[in-house]
Amino acid sequence: AQKITQTQPGMFVQEKEAVTLDCTYDTSDPSYGLFWYKQPSSGEMIFLIYQGSYDQQNATEGRYSLNFQKARKSANLVISASQLGDSAMYFCAMRESANAGKSTFGDGTTLTVKP
Amino acid sequence: DTEVTQTPKHLVMGMTNKKSLKCEQHMGHRAMYWYKQKAKKPPELMFVYSYEKLSINESVPSRFSPECPNSSLLNLHLHALQPEDSALYLCASSQENRPWDGYTFGSGTRLTVV
Repeated sequence: AQKITQTQPGMFVQEKEAVTLDCTYDTSDPSYGLFWYKQPSSGEMIFLIYQGSYDQQNATEGRYSLNFQKARKSANLVISASQLGDSAMYFCAMRESANAGKSTFGDGTTLTVKP
Repeated sequence: DTEVTQTPKHLVMGMTNKKSLKCEQHMGHRAMYWYKQKAKKPPELMFVYSYEKLSINESVPSRFSPECPNSSLLNLHLHALQPEDSALYLCASSQENRPWDGYTFGSGTRLTVV
């Protein structure tokens, strides 16, 4: 069974609008971390935001926020006020306490921001 | 200094060649990783070093040989590669090897095996 599921292979958003990228996960470990990374066409993976399983509040970093719904096992990324430079592939990833050496990545979502 | 530096950025090698990929970080991170990524796919973990010791080898073929000479450096030695090994090779580091440690990635080496 896939541990991280990103159901949107591709998304389009108009510049300056908000967009939500979906991520659901599967784990029985009570202690885990959830991460979002951005990968532009240049190839470098850029860390965006982190949410811990015990965190009470949703994480925010500038224009990025993580909508964490623990009971539903979802960790959606919200990008507000999209910019052309946000066009990239976005990966959701998880690290479990019992298996902390390994990050499990989803298949990614390609986001295209339209002017 | 919040960078992971990978060299070379591009590499073309023949199937009989021996080459090395290099990764360097000066953030004091104690965990370093090699990932392989095919186009439009997620990264696949190859090796994990924690405190300069190899802690995870994801059943990678022996034609890939990692080395961690010190806490700042990570090498990947390549020998007798196959065309299917052509990919983007990403190095990453994290403060330690804990579930809340996010990765800092390098910009990768695009490897083509001919």
